Amino acid sequence: DAKTTQPPSMDCAEGRAANLPCNHSTISGNEYVYWYRQIHSQGPQYIIHGLKNNETNEMASLIITEDRKSSTLILPHATLRDTAVYYCIVRLSGTGANNLFFGTGTRLTVIP
Amino acid sequence: EPEVTQTPSHQVTQMGQEVILRCVPISNHLYFYWYRQILGQKVEFLVSFYNNEISEKSEIFDDQFSVERPDGSNFTLKIRSTKLEDSAMYFCASSGGQGRDTEAFFGQGTRLTVV
Repeated sequence: DAKTTQPPSMDCAEGRAANLPCNHSTISGNEYVYWYRQIHSQGPQYIIHGLKNNETNEMASLIITEDRKSSTLILPHATLRDTAVYYCIVRLSGTGANNLFFGTGTRLTVIP
Repeated sequence: EPEVTQTPSHQVTQMGQEVILRCVPISNHLYFYWYRQILGQKVEFLVSFYNNEISEKSEIFDDQFSVERPDGSNFTLKIRSTKLEDSAMYFCASSGGQGRDTEAFFGQGTRLTVV
């Protein structure tokens, strides 16, 4: 699985968009980009994933660059409950199991 | 909304004792996982399980660890002889279907403290 690089921490004002970047310059053509988050010490929570097209769901949007070497997770209107560690994970497809290899992620703090 | 449930939420055990951590995955899921997170460190993959056998395991998952799906609903992680360094949060997860891009759903974890 390709390695990812994320900033260790970010702040965002409540109500504003949070844009979390991730670099995955060694990603291969059949690897997906997944985003999870972990609020305090709870179990990781799935947010969104994509292959090459931009994706949007009720939680967030995922923007993947055309060369797929980086992506940005966007939380459109951050709330205090979005304070968490956000993990960008590149996962090799081709196997059924969704084994995930977490890095250190970005600690997002939403400020009132 | 379906969820993965884990019991107990907190387990304290003496070094050298056996522990069994229990999980009930989401009912129609086919793939099951255990992860652990030592306090202040990364979430680490331990093992994945499919079709009643281990499909992949990490270096952490040595002979002291075993997994089992004893019936149609439970998925367990056994640590035979616990060590102090086994103290961690243990997360169970499951994912569904045949698709290669399905997401994993995690339980809330069991905090294991070895004393």
